[in-house]
Amino acid sequence: AQKITQTQPGMFVQEKEAVTLDCTYDTSDPSYGLFWYKQPSSGEMIFLIYQGSYDQQNATEGRYSLNFQKARKSANLVISASQLGDSAMYFCAMRAGETSGSRLTFGEGTQLTVNP
Amino acid sequence: AAGVIQSPRHLIKEKRETATLKCYPIPRHDTVYWYQQGPGQDPQFLISFYEKMQSDKGSIPDRFSAQQFSDYHSELNMSSLELGDSALYFCAKDRDGRMNTEAFFGQGTRLTVV
Repeated sequence: AQKITQTQPGMFVQEKEAVTLDCTYDTSDPSYGLFWYKQPSSGEMIFLIYQGSYDQQNATEGRYSLNFQKARKSANLVISASQLGDSAMYFCAMRAGETSGSRLTFGEGTQLTVNP
Repeated sequence: AAGVIQSPRHLIKEKRETATLKCYPIPRHDTVYWYQQGPGQDPQFLISFYEKMQSDKGSIPDRFSAQQFSDYHSELNMSSLELGDSALYFCAKDRDGRMNTEAFFGQGTRLTVV
């Protein structure tokens, strides 16, 4: 079974500052992928960044980076230079195994508020 | 543009009615996923299809059924609707058919059961 834990129900950050959203995971499968999604109040699910379990380097996508610590089973999202438009719900998710059609398991999410 | 088209975007039904949600991966894609997101909750996996065969099954009620058609679009059929079925329903696909790449989500169908 797979499990994703996000321990921060809400986070606040000042505009232009960096923020880290925590995510820990649990799986017995050696092959897995970790994902972060952003969900604004409009409801759409926007893909942000992906990290594979065998990737040697931490993933980066623009202002987003994933701090992947495999031994600690953590995959924290770092958003640099926060913008007002970053205010949204953020979900960490995982897919384990290499079978087509395997599910994504989501954490409970972190509501990020960026203050001007 | 590549992505996932879902229809309808909004749907209001009464209890005990039926609803059909549709999903069109663009371009055509061999794998589709359905997720249900209740108010204030994280998305919960319902079911997925690979090459028109059911691939994985989550906590999908027996009142729900789904299939993937020969043109790879998918439909989620929901019968005997209950108030608790009110949720945002997402369809998703994998990028380029590769495992462990990002899953692209459609904009969702917001179902309200009254």
